[in-house]
Amino acid sequence: DAGVIQSPRHEVTEMGQEVTLRCKPISGHNSLFWYRQTMMRGLELLIYFNNNVPIDDSGMPEDRFSAKMPNASFSTLKIQPSEPRDSAVYFCASSQPGRINQPQHFGDGTRLSIL
Amino acid sequence: AQSVTQLGSHVSVSEGALVLLRCNYSSSVPPYLFWYVQYPNQGLQLLLKYTSAATLVKGINGFEAEFKKSETSFHLTKPSAHMSDAAEYFCAVSDLETSYDKVIFGPGTSLSVIP
Repeated sequence: DAGVIQSPRHEVTEMGQEVTLRCKPISGHNSLFWYRQTMMRGLELLIYFNNNVPIDDSGMPEDRFSAKMPNASFSTLKIQPSEPRDSAVYFCASSQPGRINQPQHFGDGTRLSIL
Repeated sequence: AQSVTQLGSHVSVSEGALVLLRCNYSSSVPPYLFWYVQYPNQGLQLLLKYTSAATLVKGINGFEAEFKKSETSFHLTKPSAHMSDAAEYFCAVSDLETSYDKVIFGPGTSLSVIP
């Protein structure tokens, strides 16, 4: 049973470069979440998709961040241009449709370092 | 608005000792509650969830949590700590006021197990 798959696992790039993080949710899950985790801020929800439609993007820090979900099996989080303060671990999670008690299934994250 | 607090950002216990990680929630309606665990360099994994079927919930790896409405608490316990339990633990509540499958995570408690 494949879980949530994120790529790349690690990304090191220079300030100003474009960064694209990728996520493949679990098949059949219709909710997808992007989180950012840092020591200072903990786990922050960036954006939430339901049936490929962005429902809540209030957590997206600024216009440099954008996310898409072109189909049920793929999502991207893009940062352009990147800044050192964007360094964090970014997680993607998905959950099943239906009831409100469905747990979220997390990928192993992308550790992003902006130099 | 719903919220989650976790008392103690860091807890240390000796191997074989009782583990108690505290979680209190704020919710205007009967909540759905979760405990997740995060091992180093991994995503969050579901330990257990409360869905009103029973106040004492058993999870994986010998953990359990008790829902106490009068105390608005959902503390996580394990009778005997094992070295492999060292990890970050997150309490979470379903965000019923915003979206039916979005959750609010607490700040996390880091558990250390001393040999």
